[in-house]
Amino acid sequence: QPQLQEWGPGLVKPSETLSLTCTVSRDSINTRSFYWGWIRQPPGKGLEWIGSIYYGGSTYYSPSLKSRVTISVDTSANQFSLTLTSVIAADTAIYYCARISFGQWDRFDPWGQGALVTVSS
Amino acid sequence: DIQMTQSPSSLSASVGDRVTITCRAGQSIDSYLNWYQQKPGKAPTVLIFGSSRLQRGVPPRFSGSGSGTDFTLTISNLQPEDFATYFCQQSNSIPYTFGQGTKLEI
Repeated sequence: QPQLQEWGPGLVKPSETLSLTCTVSRDSINTRSFYWGWIRQPPGKGLEWIGSIYYGGSTYYSPSLKSRVTISVDTSANQFSLTLTSVIAADTAIYYCARISFGQWDRFDPWGQGALVTVSS
Repeated sequence: DIQMTQSPSSLSASVGDRVTITCRAGQSIDSYLNWYQQKPGKAPTVLIFGSSRLQRGVPPRFSGSGSGTDFTLTISNLQPEDFATYFCQQSNSIPYTFGQGTKLEI
C-alpha cells in the first residue's frame, strides 16, 4: 500500500496562489492502473473532488474549479502537485491527495493525511 | 454534476446495534457507488466500492447494496470504533461527487 504525504504553505493570502505537492512513497506514480487526485474538505464540511492526473499527464478537473486549477506530475520525483489561483476565503480547507483506482470501479484509496490551508490576510 | 444526497445527516446508536445509511443519486449511476468512513482528524478510508464490494481489510459487518439511484450502507453489530462520519461517492462520471455525510454517534 503506498503512502501519500501532502506538503506546502498552510497560509495563503486572498487573491494569491495556493500550491501543494503530494509525495508518493512505497509505490511508483508511473502505474497504468491508477490516477492521482486532489480532494478538499472545508473544516467541518463535506468532500469536494478537485481533479485528477495520470502519470502520462492527462488531467481531469472539476468544472467548478477548472478555471483556477492546474494539476501536474513529476514522475522523476514521484510527486504530483496542485495549484489553485486567485484564492478566496472559501478555499480554506483540508486538502487531501489520493490514489484513484480506475478501470471498472474507480475509488480513492489510499489518502494522504491532509494539509490544512487557510486563506487569510 | 450528479448530486448525491445522504440520509440521515446524523444518527445515534448503541454498541451492538444494526444501522442503515441511505444515499440517493440525482440520476442513475448503475453500481458506481463507494462508501467511505472518516474519523475525527483523519482522512477518509474506503469501505465499500462498486455498491457492494468490500474493500480488503474491512470487517464483514459492513455491507452495501443498491443500484441505479438508491443505495444503502448497513453496519451490523456496531463496534465502538465504528462511530464516525460516513460519505457516499459516485464514480459513474466525472466530476466525482460525494454525499454530505452521515455522522454516526453513540
